[in-house]
Amino acid sequence: GAGVSQSPSNKVTEKGKDVELRCDPISGHTALYWYRQSLGQGLEFLIYFQGNSAPDKSGLPSDRFSAERTGGSVSTLTIQRTQQEDSAVYLCASSSYSRAVGDRRKYGYTFGSGTRLTVV
Amino acid sequence: TQLLEQSPQFLSIQEGENLTVYCNSSSVFSSLQWYRQEPGEGPVLLVTVVTGGEVKKLKRLTFQFGDARKDSSLHITAAQPGDTGLYLCAGLGPKNNNDMRFGAGTRLTVKP
Repeated sequence: GAGVSQSPSNKVTEKGKDVELRCDPISGHTALYWYRQSLGQGLEFLIYFQGNSAPDKSGLPSDRFSAERTGGSVSTLTIQRTQQEDSAVYLCASSSYSRAVGDRRKYGYTFGSGTRLTVV
Repeated sequence: TQLLEQSPQFLSIQEGENLTVYCNSSSVFSSLQWYRQEPGEGPVLLVTVVTGGEVKKLKRLTFQFGDARKDSSLHITAAQPGDTGLYLCAGLGPKNNNDMRFGAGTRLTVKP
């Protein structure tokens, strides 16, 4: 598509329930990132997918968080047994950066509008 | 603790005024990016700077990368209400592909 699409835009869930957040990146972008943005905080890196390589999961805050990317395109971020501290805006970004292309510094991210997750 | 410290955290000015916001770190970055984020939207890339001392201009916005590549500034001339938003800086570390670190941002309000 023309941009990065995220769904749902808003999600309210009860503590302890599981949620799935979806990201549809720009067609052809091999790099996909998930970030979390809490009020007054910067964007917190969660996970990074690059093509068919194993994802970098180093930013996932706990084993309740997982993500997958099917067919190198759509990605789903799953949060199990949600807690109130999981409340935040979850942002997905994609980039045309590919290791084969070269200079990482020149590639910016295109972000989706985010999913606002509220755990009550 | 933020790796990238942005200041001021909040800034409210009148239309037509000039302003500068800052992004500072003790770490060296291979590149630094500035984004603007409006409510309910994701951040939008404004500029990328890669060379120490580099200055880039985008209409009324002037971006500078520090000589040591540890800090950056964004100067806006004759601010307009349309400049209102959250300005985020993001630094790319020297190593791998996923270490883009974001500051907490400067929330700018330009009053008409």
